[in-house]
Amino acid sequence: GAGVSQSPSNKVTEKGKDVELRCDPISGHTALYWYRQSLGQGLEFLIYFQGNSAPDKSGLPSDRFSAERTGGSVSTLTIQRTQQEDSAVYLCASSLDVAGARNEQFFGPGTRLTVL
Amino acid sequence: AQSVTQLDSHVSVSEGTPVLLRCNYSSSYSPSLFWYVQHPNKGLQLLLKYTSAATLVKGINGFEAEFKKSETSFHLTKPSAHMSDAAEYFCVVTRRGAQKLVFGQGTRLTINP
Repeated sequence: GAGVSQSPSNKVTEKGKDVELRCDPISGHTALYWYRQSLGQGLEFLIYFQGNSAPDKSGLPSDRFSAERTGGSVSTLTIQRTQQEDSAVYLCASSLDVAGARNEQFFGPGTRLTVL
Repeated sequence: AQSVTQLDSHVSVSEGTPVLLRCNYSSSYSPSLFWYVQHPNKGLQLLLKYTSAATLVKGINGFEAEFKKSETSFHLTKPSAHMSDAAEYFCVVTRRGAQKLVFGQGTRLTINP
């Protein structure tokens, strides 16, 4: 079946503009995660959604970052007033569940964001 | 809290020779440990995982890793490297049943012909 998909694959924007990154998880997966991969910081957790529970936003680096998940499926990560340090690859992952053997996270190909 | 240290940022081996990628972890709780591989311009792919069963874990493409609690290590090995193994490898820790993955800094594996 289809894996996790993300769009766009590449995004170039000017400093100060807002951007939206989209993630389509694997159908039936209840958990969805966003990570950021950058040269200086490696791979960092950003935010996590599980079903109808309140999301875990503990990894968001500033209040310019927000995410939502509509209908328990598609998720959008929004970065407002982008800064050059936001340049990174943003990865989305989904998993069937969070407990036990079903918590394997499947990753999408990522969105490469470049802020000029 | 959990953390993971990959002891080598770059490993280079010849095709057909063994591969060893080293990982040490720190965890206040019983950990789940993973190795992921990332090929150029591709997404992260799970190689193998340790959750609480056998300490020697076998993964895809001939890779395996051994969980050693006394040494807080989870090194990744393969008996014979193949050119297609060239990629970035990430050791990952999380608390068992938790959601956030904590990644190491990655080890770039180069295979020489």
